[in-house]
Amino acid sequence: GAGVSQTPSNKVTEKGKYVELRCDPISGHTALYWYRQSLGQGPEFLIYFQGTGAADDSGLPNDRFFAVRPEGSVSTLKIQRTERGDSAVYLCASSPGLAGVETQYFGPGTRLLVL
Amino acid sequence: AQKVTQAQTEISVVEKEDVTLDCVYETRDTTYYLFWYKQPPSGELVFLIRRNSFDEQNEISGRYSWNFQKSTSSFNFTITASQVVDSAVYFCALRKNTGFQKLVFGTGTRLLVSP
Repeated sequence: GAGVSQTPSNKVTEKGKYVELRCDPISGHTALYWYRQSLGQGPEFLIYFQGTGAADDSGLPNDRFFAVRPEGSVSTLKIQRTERGDSAVYLCASSPGLAGVETQYFGPGTRLLVL
Repeated sequence: AQKVTQAQTEISVVEKEDVTLDCVYETRDTTYYLFWYKQPPSGELVFLIRRNSFDEQNEISGRYSWNFQKSTSSFNFTITASQVVDSAVYFCALRKNTGFQKLVFGTGTRLLVSP
């Protein structure tokens, strides 16, 4: 079946602009995670959704970052007033959300470059 | 706090050599899960293995094997008879054993396999 998809694959924007990054999880997966991966680093957790609600947003770096998942499927990560330091690959992952410890399956990421 | 250390930044081998990627972790939890992911040049994180802290048995899957040693807080990954297609960045990750939790990643080890 189809894996996690993310659009766009690449996004170039100017400092101060607003961007939206989209994640489409594996069909039927209710748990959805966003991570950010800076160059040469491992992914760092941003936010986790179970269904429509953000169950853990402790990784969001500041209030310029916001994510939604209005219908419990597709999620959008929104970044306001982008800064050059926001340049990174933004990864989305999903898991079934049934119970217990689950493996997270990752999408290909969106590479964001803020000029 | 949880932490994963992958001290090897980059390893270069010639095809058919065996190679071991080191992973050392820190956690105060008595139970937890460990993971290995592969990130090829395409960027997508590919799940390789999940290991419960209760289970210290080593695991082998084809050319891949994993050595989990709780006494030394290590979860090392060995590729036998490496191939060019094994070239990628490999990440070790840790998560709590309760509910839906974020993954804590190491900084990754870049493996270059030359023909």
